[in-house]
Amino acid sequence: AIVLNQSPSSIVASQGEKVTITCRASSSISSNYLHWYQQKPGAFPKLVIYSTSYRASGIPSRFSGSGSGTSYSFTISRVEAEDVATYYCQQGSSNPLTFGSGTKLEIK
Amino acid sequence: EVLLQQSGAELVRPGSSVKISCKASGYTFTDYYMHWVKQRPEQGLVWIGRINPANGNTVYAEKFKSKATLTADKSSNTAYMQLSSLTSEDTATYFCTRSTLSHRWFAYWGQGTLVTVSS
Repeated sequence: AIVLNQSPSSIVASQGEKVTITCRASSSISSNYLHWYQQKPGAFPKLVIYSTSYRASGIPSRFSGSGSGTSYSFTISRVEAEDVATYYCQQGSSNPLTFGSGTKLEIK
Repeated sequence: EVLLQQSGAELVRPGSSVKISCKASGYTFTDYYMHWVKQRPEQGLVWIGRINPANGNTVYAEKFKSKATLTADKSSNTAYMQLSSLTSEDTATYFCTRSTLSHRWFAYWGQGTLVTVSS
């Protein structure tokens, strides 16, 4: 199974600050198969970025993604209060599909 | 509009089984895989497996091969997951979510079904 090591596990940021989350895979993944989700408390996960760098429908431009091979990143250029959530990376390259352990974003 | 409507919360006894449902609407049920994801309280997301509703073909994560059974009813556009020999470790919210056959990202999710295992 491909293990996704996501870091940091938590971030405390000020509004307007830039935050970056990294996701490192135990094996190389095609960039077509690395995705990012936002999950708010009590809700289902919401697709934010698919195939490394494509924003899902309705996602603001402050969210972006990049990477290749085994190293990927997710960035919020200017954090807003509504971005408080846990973020997960996910690989769809091979079974079993796997998720990173999550990064909890809080606002100062 | 794509909707995945899951069945309600369940309180079940240890050692028993439970079957939860996910009714799909707004798209052709047999054109997409249906996946199931587990989330224990305050923990992360774990993929259980997926079913191809067109032919019933299933793939499971190793740790769920003897725990979960995925089925799909094309006549009612409903996917099911049965969980057996329940223990406290199975207390979790279970989500259904769909993907295309080739691109396995999850744009649509059910609202989740909370299964609580308690005597």
